[in-house]
Amino acid sequence: SAVISQKPSRDICQRGTSLTIQCQVDSQVTMMFWYRQQPGQSLTLIATANQGSEATYESGFVIDKFPISRPNLTFSTLTVSNMSPEDSSIYLCSAWTGAGYTFGSGTRLTVV
Amino acid sequence: GENVEQHPSTLSVQEGDSAVIKCTYSDSASNYFPWYKQELGKGPQLIIDIRSNVGEKKDQRIAVTLNKTAKHFSLHITETQPEDSAVYFCAASYEGNQFYFGTGTSLTVIP
Repeated sequence: SAVISQKPSRDICQRGTSLTIQCQVDSQVTMMFWYRQQPGQSLTLIATANQGSEATYESGFVIDKFPISRPNLTFSTLTVSNMSPEDSSIYLCSAWTGAGYTFGSGTRLTVV
Repeated sequence: GENVEQHPSTLSVQEGDSAVIKCTYSDSASNYFPWYKQELGKGPQLIIDIRSNVGEKKDQRIAVTLNKTAKHFSLHITETQPEDSAVYFCAASYEGNQFYFGTGTSLTVIP
């Protein structure tokens, strides 16, 4: 099955700054997904990223706060903009690989 | 989007007993139902999945059942071991598209 490399694995950021998270898949995938997992909670879908088109955001998430890039079929980035302590979460990317959904190892973000 | 409900939120079982976790979904178009295990500090790991053309699937001590009419599916773990302790999530999707997670079940296996 496909392997997704996600980085950084963790970061501590100052409020008001932005962080870009990268995910690299070792094979070409059509759809990639970005999730947020707040402490002790389930995974919430932020957006779906298709190569060559604008990302599709779920209710409660907006492009200005979470801009996403999908420049090719193996790579995507999620930026968390103008961060506040409420953005402290684990962020995960995922991709449909034909046989199932594979996840990156996650980015643990702490905003201080 | 899809709404997935999961019960129970916490489950404690004695080692060797069985554990059952249940999920319901709302979108009748959903046709792919994976289960994930998440250990502390790690990303979700797929443990078993089922597609809508199958009613049951088994992999050693783990099995999943699906009732499309009732829109519910269940995870069954037999002969539980301490290493089964983790958080388990169900999910539902129209295969390859957005997929939505249940709220999670924290399973503790007591030695």
